[in-house]
Amino acid sequence: SQTIHQWPATLVQPVGSPLSLECTVEGTSNPNLYWYRQAAGRGLQLLFYSVGIGQISSEVPQNLSASRPQDRQFILSSKKLLLSDSGFYLCAWDRSMNTEAFFGQGTRLTVV
Amino acid sequence: ELKVEQNPLFLSMQEGKNYTIYCNYSTTSDRLYWYRQDPGKSLESLFVLLSNGAVKQEGRLMASLDTKARLSTLHITAAVHDLSATYFCAVAPMDSNYQLIWGAGTKLIIKP
Repeated sequence: SQTIHQWPATLVQPVGSPLSLECTVEGTSNPNLYWYRQAAGRGLQLLFYSVGIGQISSEVPQNLSASRPQDRQFILSSKKLLLSDSGFYLCAWDRSMNTEAFFGQGTRLTVV
Repeated sequence: ELKVEQNPLFLSMQEGKNYTIYCNYSTTSDRLYWYRQDPGKSLESLFVLLSNGAVKQEGRLMASLDTKARLSTLHITAAVHDLSATYFCAVAPMDSNYQLIWGAGTKLIIKP
């Protein structure tokens, strides 16, 4: 069966510090991978998606970046965090847009 | 502008009652998804609706899609406390392979 791991679960970082969130998928190959951000009490905002190794598409201009160094690994990074980067970050994968997406446990990021 | 609007955004109801959550969208689409999110948790897929007139049921939940009206409904029958959660709909625009447009979510509280 397929599983998705995302860590850490919670993170408190000072403004200006770097960020690295990691997501890995097991039990499938060549998944589509996604990074979403959810503000408190709101819907999801797609940040990045990837259809293959090294292929990253950005949906929202920001000081975040994403990388996919391996088929089932997706990393969200920032060189310098802003207060506005606080939120709930979710990694997800699917096989295609005709199937459901599976989400990781999420990372609650608080920038102080 | 692509919009997905859920109605209501907040719903408090008694156990045993029936109710419907509505999801209206502004773009042409034939793919719509319903997800559930428990407080502080990740998202869980409920239904994937891929054609006009699609209807799916799981337990006390039933979802339908009318692509001509650009409307999906999530109907709750004889609600129980365990269904308390936030429910999201998400729409895949026809001209997008990977982007989902998310509703703001409907927070459902079911009182014993």
